[in-house]
Amino acid sequence: QKEVEQNSGPLSVPEGAIASLNCTYSDRGSQSFFWYRQYSGKSPELIMFIYSNGDKEDGRFTAQLNKASQYVSLLIRDSQPSDSATYLCAVAPNRDDKIIFGKGTRLHILP
Amino acid sequence: SAVISQKPSRDICQRGTSLTIQCQVDSQVTMMFWYRQQPGQSLTLIATANQGSEATYESGFVIDKFPISRPNLTFSTLTVSNMSPEDSSIYLCSVGTGDADTQYFGPGTRLTVL
Repeated sequence: QKEVEQNSGPLSVPEGAIASLNCTYSDRGSQSFFWYRQYSGKSPELIMFIYSNGDKEDGRFTAQLNKASQYVSLLIRDSQPSDSATYLCAVAPNRDDKIIFGKGTRLHILP
Repeated sequence: SAVISQKPSRDICQRGTSLTIQCQVDSQVTMMFWYRQQPGQSLTLIATANQGSEATYESGFVIDKFPISRPNLTFSTLTVSNMSPEDSSIYLCSVGTGDADTQYFGPGTRLTVL
């Protein structure tokens, strides 16, 4: 059973601080990793994807991948109240395969 | 990314009836998927909609309950048949762009079954 695990939260972070969201996955052969943001009542929105070990930065967002530890994280710098949402980690076990979603972490940025 | 629309955006239906949800994409895409998201839960894949052939269903989902059509590379429908209150959920279509499994989601259809 291929699984993606996330802490459900809520994770509360003061405005302006760094929010750190974590995810582990069970399939060591996984190839592609995604972070989606979902506001309440809305559909998931892709914010980052990463394929290679290391860091990938896009604006205030940094995705970190460690395949040896089967661990992927998302850092949000200078957190804003508008970042308050549920963040879904998703993993593609193989290229051209369906992706598996974690249950999501609820992030709350405190003004 | 592709622009994806879904119809209807929401509906309230009676037990025992069926609802067909449409998903339209503004460009041709290889992969289309249908998901369900129950209140407070994460996404559950129902099936992969295959163009020109029968959909591929995930464990726990069957064609008689969730028939899917994919007549071309820009359009798909999901029907929720013989509905019960347990089918109340948000139904989402997503498309794969071919860029290493990246998927983008439509706005969703919020279904309430009374």
